[in-house]
Amino acid sequence: EAGVVQSPRYKIIEKKQPVAFWCNPISGHNTLYWYRQNLGQGPELLIRYENEEAVDDSQLPKDRFSAERLKGVDSTLKIQPAELGDSAVYLCASSSSAGLVQFFGPGTRLTVL
Amino acid sequence: AQSVAQPEDQVNVAEGNPLTVKCTYSVSGNPYLFWYVQYPNRGLQFLLKYITGDNLVKGSYGFEAEFNKSQTSFHLKKPSALVSDSALYFCAVDHKLSFGAGTTVTVRA
Repeated sequence: EAGVVQSPRYKIIEKKQPVAFWCNPISGHNTLYWYRQNLGQGPELLIRYENEEAVDDSQLPKDRFSAERLKGVDSTLKIQPAELGDSAVYLCASSSSAGLVQFFGPGTRLTVL
Repeated sequence: AQSVAQPEDQVNVAEGNPLTVKCTYSVSGNPYLFWYVQYPNRGLQFLLKYITGDNLVKGSYGFEAEFNKSQTSFHLKKPSALVSDSALYFCAVDHKLSFGAGTTVTVRA
């Protein structure tokens, strides 16, 4: 069974530029999560989807971050414009339903110069 | 708010010795508790979870954890550590996975 797929694995951009991350969850997993992990810290939840509905986006900085999961399968997280402080690893995870084990992708390491 | 604390940034043990990684939690109601491991340049991997039932939970790679309600702890243990157990370990609570800061485990040969 394929795991959670994320792309790109690495991204380097100049500040004020836009950037997008893509995630394809494990087949059949209805719940999808985006996390941000800063260096030396644990991941922090940005947004959680149940199918195509964002059910928890309280930690998403909505002035510059947006996310979508149009058909309830894969998802895109966007930052526009990026700031220096956005440099981090962005992790995607999925589970068959909320409350159960989450499976994580390898992450996208973003560097903002 | 749900939260966990991992009081040790680093744990160093010799191969073959017992390994313990500490975690305490603060939640309202009954907690969902998880341990994940992160190897260099790889994604987080699930080790074990406590939802309800037996306080001693067994997980992957020979790890186990004991849920202690009176001490609000969920320490991760392995009776005999391997060099390959060297990694970053995270405790997490709740289905939204509020993570601790992580504990770096180094097992020396």
